[in-house]
Amino acid sequence: KQEVTQIPAALSVPEGENLVLNCSFTDSAIYNLQWFRQDPGKGLTSLLLIQSSQREQTSGRLNASLDKSSGRSTLYIAASQPGDSATYLCAVVSGSARQLTFGSGTQLTVLP
Amino acid sequence: NAGVMQNPRHLVRRRGQEARLRCSPMKGHSHVYWYRQLPEEGLKFMVYLQKENIIDESGMPKERFSAEFPKEGPSILRIQQVVRGDSAAYFCASSPLGSASYNEQFFGPGTRLTVL
Repeated sequence: KQEVTQIPAALSVPEGENLVLNCSFTDSAIYNLQWFRQDPGKGLTSLLLIQSSQREQTSGRLNASLDKSSGRSTLYIAASQPGDSATYLCAVVSGSARQLTFGSGTQLTVLP
Repeated sequence: NAGVMQNPRHLVRRRGQEARLRCSPMKGHSHVYWYRQLPEEGLKFMVYLQKENIIDESGMPKERFSAEFPKEGPSILRIQQVVRGDSAAYFCASSPLGSASYNEQFFGPGTRLTVL
C-alpha cells in the first residue's frame, strides 16, 4: 500500500527566503508525482507534474525534483512571498486506477 | 475552457438524510475521480469512473455510498442516511485519459458537506 509522508508539517519563514518542502513515498512504482497548493477552504491548484521518467520540473519560482529510486521529491520555492502562504500537498499516481495518494501536506506561512 | 465544476459548494444535511454531490468534468475529459478530505486529515481516493462505468471503487465505504457517471450529465456521488462522520470536503477531479501515465488530474473547488 502506497504511503506518502511530507516533512515538515508546518513551516514559517520571513519573506524573501528560499525554502524546501520534502515528500517521501514508500512504493517507487509510481507513474508520476504532482505538487498541489491548497488555500484554506478552497480546492487544489496543480503546481507541477513530474513524470516518473523525469528528474525535475520548473515553473517560475518553483522547482520540483524527483528521485524515484529513493522515493523522494522536493519542492523548492525561491524568494518566498506572503502570497505563497498555503498548504502544499504532494501526491503520487500509482495503482491500476491511477489514483492519487496524498501526503498530509506542509502548511507554509510566509511572514511579511 | 471551464474547469471542473462541483455543486453545491456547501451542503448541510441532518442525520439520516441523503446527500447528492455533482461534478461536471472539464470539457473533453471522460474520466472522473472522487476524493474525500476529512477534518484534519489528508485527501483519500474514493472512486474512479468513466462514462457509464465504475472502474475502481476500492476507496469508497461499502455501505451508504454510491457513485455514477452517466452518458449524459454530471457525475454524482450519493450518500444515503448521512451520519456526522460523513462531514468532510468532497473533491472531484477529471482527466482526459485515465490510464495514461502522463495523465494530470484537474480538481474542482469541492463540496463541503456538514451533517448536523
